[in-house]
Amino acid sequence: SQLAEENLWALSVHEGESVTVNCSYKTSITALQWYRQKSGEGPAQLILIRSNEREKRNGRLRATLDTSSQSSSLSITATRCEDTAVYFCATDSGGNYKPTFGKGTSLVVHP
Amino acid sequence: DMKVTQMPRYLIKRMGENVLLECGQDMSHETMYWYRQDPGLGLQLIYISYDVDSNSEGDIPKGYRVSRKKREHFSLILDSAKTNQTSVYFCASSFAGPSAETLYFGSGTRLTVL
Repeated sequence: SQLAEENLWALSVHEGESVTVNCSYKTSITALQWYRQKSGEGPAQLILIRSNEREKRNGRLRATLDTSSQSSSLSITATRCEDTAVYFCATDSGGNYKPTFGKGTSLVVHP
Repeated sequence: DMKVTQMPRYLIKRMGENVLLECGQDMSHETMYWYRQDPGLGLQLIYISYDVDSNSEGDIPKGYRVSRKKREHFSLILDSAKTNQTSVYFCASSFAGPSAETLYFGSGTRLTVL
């Protein structure tokens, strides 16, 4: 079963708009990571947010973590065409760290 | 330069042949991983290696084995490949920490088993 899961299969926005991808997870975690995967490439980490943090930023990206509802969000402001990618959340499984990825949300940013 | 290198990028094999996928990293990371990625299924963990000769099964180890004789190299072996092992395989590495660490991924190997 999926330990982490994004809530939408696909999103589409126009350049300049803001967008949010959500993720829910099922176990206690020490941290949650957001990755981006562009076509033909391996995933690349965007943000790592630890369980004692509520929000973390990286440029135009903002991640939140709510351990009470076991959910996280990744917001991208002022989107660009180059933000077109699949976005994954990934969690550990508490004591035995084996990173588990969600199925991903495909984001398309139109010019 | 922080890099995970996978070889080859593309591979076509016939059912029943043996397959060797190789991965190298130049960051002295203790931990290395093999994932496969299929449409609609995301990334599934096959094996994880915590250091040389210290390997552990992931979520889908059946049909695969691994070898790690040097910290910088991690190999995935398919003995007698099956058509359902057609997939894109990603290797990743990370520092070993008390909790989650950043994974650095290679560019993947697209394996087709005919």
